[in-house]
Amino acid sequence: SAVISQKPSRDICQRGTSLTIQCQVDSQVTMMFWYRQQPGQSLTLIATANQGSEATYESGFVIDKFPISRPNLTFSTLTVSNMSPEDSSIYLCSVDTVNGDTQYFGPGTRLTVL
Amino acid sequence: EDKVVQSPLSLVVHEGDTVTLNCSYEVTNFRSLLWYKQEKKAPTFLFMLTSSGIEKKSGRLSSILDKKELSSILNITATQTGDSAIYLCAPGYQKVTFGTGTKLQVIP
Repeated sequence: SAVISQKPSRDICQRGTSLTIQCQVDSQVTMMFWYRQQPGQSLTLIATANQGSEATYESGFVIDKFPISRPNLTFSTLTVSNMSPEDSSIYLCSVDTVNGDTQYFGPGTRLTVL
Repeated sequence: EDKVVQSPLSLVVHEGDTVTLNCSYEVTNFRSLLWYKQEKKAPTFLFMLTSSGIEKKSGRLSSILDKKELSSILNITATQTGDSAIYLCAPGYQKVTFGTGTKLQVIP
C-alpha cells in the first residue's frame, strides 16, 4: 500500500479566508481523490484529482469553492476557499491501487472555521 | 443515485461478544466492496471483497459478500475495547460510495 501524508494535520481558520491542503504519496498513483467528512457524517467525495487536467467534481461541489491541483502523479492540493463555519470538517485524500480495487487514505486534515 | 446503508447505526457490546455489521448497497458501477475501520480521522483499510461467498479473514475479523443480495457482512468475534470505532463499507469501482457507518463501542 502507498504511504500518504497530508499537511496540515489540523487548522483553525477565520471566516472568509482560504486554506490549501497538501497530499503527498510515496509512489506514483493513477487516481487521487478528495473527501470531506462533516461532523457525525460519513465520507463524501468532493472530486477526483486528474493529473494534467481539471479535476472532476461531484454533484454539489464546484471548482470555485474547492480548487484542486495535481501537477504530477504523487502530489495534489485541495483549497477550501472563502471559508464559512459550515466548511468545518475533516478533509481526506485517498489514492487507489493499480487495478482500482482498493483505496488508501491519508491521515486527514481537521479544519475548524470560526 | 448510489445508495449504501449500514446497520445497525450504533452498537454497544461487552468485551468477548461477537458482532455482525451489515452493509447493503445499490451502486451504478460495482467491482469491489471495501470495509474500513475509522478511529480518529483516517479510515484504515480492512477488506476488499470482489467475489460472492468467499470469506475474507484477518484475525478476529471476517467478511463476506453476497452479490445476489447486494450486501455484505463484517463479523468481529471475541470483541476487545480496541475494536471500538466506526466501521464503514464502500462499494464501487475507483469512485466508491461510503455507507453511513456503524459505530461500535466495546465496553469492558
